[in-house]
Amino acid sequence: GESVGLHLPTLSVQEGDNSIINCAYSNSASDYFIWYKQESGKGPQFIIDIRSNMDKRQGQRVTVLLNKTVKHLSLQIAATQPGDSAVYFCAENRETGFQKLVFGTGTRLLVSP
Amino acid sequence: NAGVTQTPKFRVLKTGQSMTLLCAQDMNHEYMYWYRQDPGMGLRLIHYSVGEGTTAKGEVPDGYNVSRLKKQNFLLGLESAAPSQTSVYFCASAGVKGSGANVLTFGAGSRLTVL
Repeated sequence: GESVGLHLPTLSVQEGDNSIINCAYSNSASDYFIWYKQESGKGPQFIIDIRSNMDKRQGQRVTVLLNKTVKHLSLQIAATQPGDSAVYFCAENRETGFQKLVFGTGTRLLVSP
Repeated sequence: NAGVTQTPKFRVLKTGQSMTLLCAQDMNHEYMYWYRQDPGMGLRLIHYSVGEGTTAKGEVPDGYNVSRLKKQNFLLGLESAAPSQTSVYFCASAGVKGSGANVLTFGAGSRLTVL
């Protein structure tokens, strides 16, 4: 079936480096995408979202890029900090006017000081 | 504001026992959801509700029942627990589109172990 997936299960970076977490999706009808951060023992926390009519959206130290041609989503974290260590999930919404998210399997980001 | 609160946080059950997980939100959100999270599987939607008195099946509804008698509460029930239901359960809520609160807000999770 259609799914949202990730290329790398674990990403290790040094503090201060830029991190890029990738996500592939297969449903071309999805119109909304979200990145969540999940720290150990906690629930997922919203980071940034992007609609299908956009290619790029920037937040504080984070940027999401959407390439609809190849159905690819990425999360870029600038100047990665130890506090960024967590599991990151991409999710896509396949419903109109209602949030019904399908989540990827997650990528663990490990930041070394 | 407490946001989304789940109780209990931890529970151990024996096979065949029943239990209810409670989710409460104080943000006046219309939509509420129950997800389960298993290693390597991400979050999978069990059931959801688009408003008080309504419920619908998600991706993995078998073995679970839900009720939304009050707008602020969403209950997840296991009538006869099985070891395959050992998981971490997350509740989430969201406001309607255009309300500025359309993004899912998650609770801290409830870890359930079925022996």
